[in-house]
Amino acid sequence: SQTIHQWPATLVQPVGSPLSLECTVEGTSNPNLYWYRQAAGRGLQLLFYSVGIGQISSEVPQNLSASRPQDRQFILSSKKLLLSDSGFYLCAWSGLEMESLDSTVGYEQYFGPGTRLTVT
Amino acid sequence: QKEVEQNSGPLSVPEGAIASLNCTYSDRGSQSFFWYRQYSGKSPELIMFIYSNGDKEDGRFTAQLNKASQYVSLLIRDSQPSDSATYLCAVTRTGNQFYFGTGTSLTVIP
Repeated sequence: SQTIHQWPATLVQPVGSPLSLECTVEGTSNPNLYWYRQAAGRGLQLLFYSVGIGQISSEVPQNLSASRPQDRQFILSSKKLLLSDSGFYLCAWSGLEMESLDSTVGYEQYFGPGTRLTVT
Repeated sequence: QKEVEQNSGPLSVPEGAIASLNCTYSDRGSQSFFWYRQYSGKSPELIMFIYSNGDKEDGRFTAQLNKASQYVSLLIRDSQPSDSATYLCAVTRTGNQFYFGTGTSLTVIP
C-alpha cells in the first residue's frame, strides 16, 4: 500500500528565515505530487503540482518554490518567510486507479499528515 | 464562478440520523469525484470516490453522482458523534489538478 510522509510535523520560524519542507511517497511510482496550503478556517489552496521529476507547475505567485529531485520526493522551500506564510502545509499524491466494481478508471488523491508552520 | 461549491454549514444532525452533504461543480468534463473528511487540526482523509453516475455505497457512506446536473452528494447513515468533522468535496478532469470546495462543517449531536 502507498504511504506518504511529511516532516517536520510542526515548525515555528521567525520572519525572514528560510524554509524547507519535505514530502516522500512510498509504494507507488511516477505519482503526481502536490503542495497545498490551508490557512486557519480556510479552504485548500494549491501551491504547486508536479507530474514528473523536475516538472513543477506553480499556481500562485509568491515567495515559495518547489522542487522534485527524485520520483517520490517533493520539497517546498522559501528563502525568506513572511508572516502570511503561516498555515497548514499539505503534501499529496495522486495516481490512476481502477474501480473494481465496474472496471471504470479514475484518479485518486491522498494527503500526507501535514506540517503546521507558524511564522513569528 | 467557483469550480466546486459546497454549503459551508454548519450542518447539525442528531445521532442516528442521516446527514446529507451536497456539492456542485462547474466543469462538465470532470471525471473523478471525491469526498474527504477533515477533523480539526488533521489532514483530509479520502472516504469516498466515485467515477460513474449513480450511487456507490461503502458501509454507512453513500456517494451519489449526477453528471447531467453536475452534482455530487454524500449521505451518512446512522450518524455518530465521531462523524463530526468538515467534509470536502473535490473533482478532477485530468488527474493533474484537483478542485476542492471550501467544505461543509458537520456536527452530530449525541
